[in-house]
Amino acid sequence: NAGVTQTPKFQVLKTGQSMTLQCAQDMNHEYMSWYRQDPGMGLRLIHYSVGAGITDQGEVPNGYNVSRSTTEDFPLRLLSAAPSQTSVYFCASSYWSGEPPHEQYFGPGTRLTVT
Amino acid sequence: KNQVEQSPQSLIILEGKNCTLQCNYTVSPFSNLRWYKQDTGRGPVSLTIMTFSENTKSNGRYTATLDADTKQSSLHITASQLSDSASYICVVSASYGGSQGNLIFGKGTKLSVKP
Repeated sequence: NAGVTQTPKFQVLKTGQSMTLQCAQDMNHEYMSWYRQDPGMGLRLIHYSVGAGITDQGEVPNGYNVSRSTTEDFPLRLLSAAPSQTSVYFCASSYWSGEPPHEQYFGPGTRLTVT
Repeated sequence: KNQVEQSPQSLIILEGKNCTLQCNYTVSPFSNLRWYKQDTGRGPVSLTIMTFSENTKSNGRYTATLDADTKQSSLHITASQLSDSASYICVVSASYGGSQGNLIFGKGTKLSVKP
């Protein structure tokens, strides 16, 4: 199993550009989520999904879009990049149904810089 | 407001020594508490998950304790190794919003193990 994979590993964008961060998992997990990690702060939830076709907002959703067309993939779209979106982005997945708590598996992260 | 506070912010110890990291939380209602290890440049990896009824849980040289009455947890690392150098993140789950609940992340303790 590859676990949770993310691409790209690094990305530099200019203000106003758009891009998609890719996330995929091969563990048949229903739950997938996106976090951002900034220096001196804990991970913050951007968006999450409990299954194909179902998404919802987390703590810091502004400026980001998501969709979930398959169980495996959960891309994160930056609509118009801003310097405040410079961060490290982590995708995570876990089981959703059944008796919790379920261990959450994180991807290796995407380091994004917006100039 | 739900919060997770970790101490110390950073810690330097010599290889072979033991250390204890602290986590205090004000999360209600409480579902479970997790400890993650995050190596530099990588995603967090789960060490332990404890529910309300569990006081102690071990994973190799890592032992986590939970006192749900005082809302405190600790992570004890025995006979530290150079590979233990990482950030250790305490995460508390509130028992609403599905099996993943609402995960509140601490800012982490950065541990450096020196030879």
